Amino acid sequence: AQSVTQLDSQVPVFEEAPVELRCNYSSSVSVYLFWYVQYPNQGLQLLLKYLSGSTLVKGINGFEAEFNKSQTSFHLRKPSVHISDTAEYFCAVSVRSGAGSYQLTFGKGTKLSVIP
Amino acid sequence: NAGVTQTPKFQVLKTGQSMTLQCAQDMNHEYMSWYRQDPGMGLRLIHYSVGAGITDQGEVPNGYNVSRSTTEDFPLRLLSAAPSQTSVYFCASRVEAGASYEQYFGPGTRLTVT
Repeated sequence: AQSVTQLDSQVPVFEEAPVELRCNYSSSVSVYLFWYVQYPNQGLQLLLKYLSGSTLVKGINGFEAEFNKSQTSFHLRKPSVHISDTAEYFCAVSVRSGAGSYQLTFGKGTKLSVIP
Repeated sequence: NAGVTQTPKFQVLKTGQSMTLQCAQDMNHEYMSWYRQDPGMGLRLIHYSVGAGITDQGEVPNGYNVSRSTTEDFPLRLLSAAPSQTSVYFCASRVEAGASYEQYFGPGTRLTVT
């Protein structure tokens, strides 16, 4: 079974400082990894995804993530955060079900609070 | 395109009542799913559908029913509401059931069961 662990439930960071949100996954097969963002009182939207190829993936709003197979990690980074980045961030892995379709399994989320 | 729409936005039910959460998408997506979000738990899959007439259970299906008679609509039914079903419910869709496709989420329905 595949699972996702987000190591920090809350991350406070000052405006214009760098941030890293950590995500580890467990899997013995090829993985497809995603980061989603949820702004207050809204649904989720895709930040970026890793399917194959280059291990450094760039997403929207200046975010990027690095896939590290040996450490089974997919950490999200941004070199300089803005107040508008305050949100909850979810790491997710695509899991193949017994019926052959793929379902998204989410981590428990990391709340990023940007301090002015 | 309106994307994924959900109604109602808010709902309060009494224990034992039933209701249907509506979900519709106008992107002609084959795959649709329902999640519930609880504090500190992330999103957990309730039910999903890989096409009209085909549904299957997710991680937490008990107390919920679904059907998919059209590509566009995927309603979620609560048969007899319980306080444990107090949650925020999200509907999502994507092109098909393959692993690589982006999933689009609706704005959510906040349900309180008293």
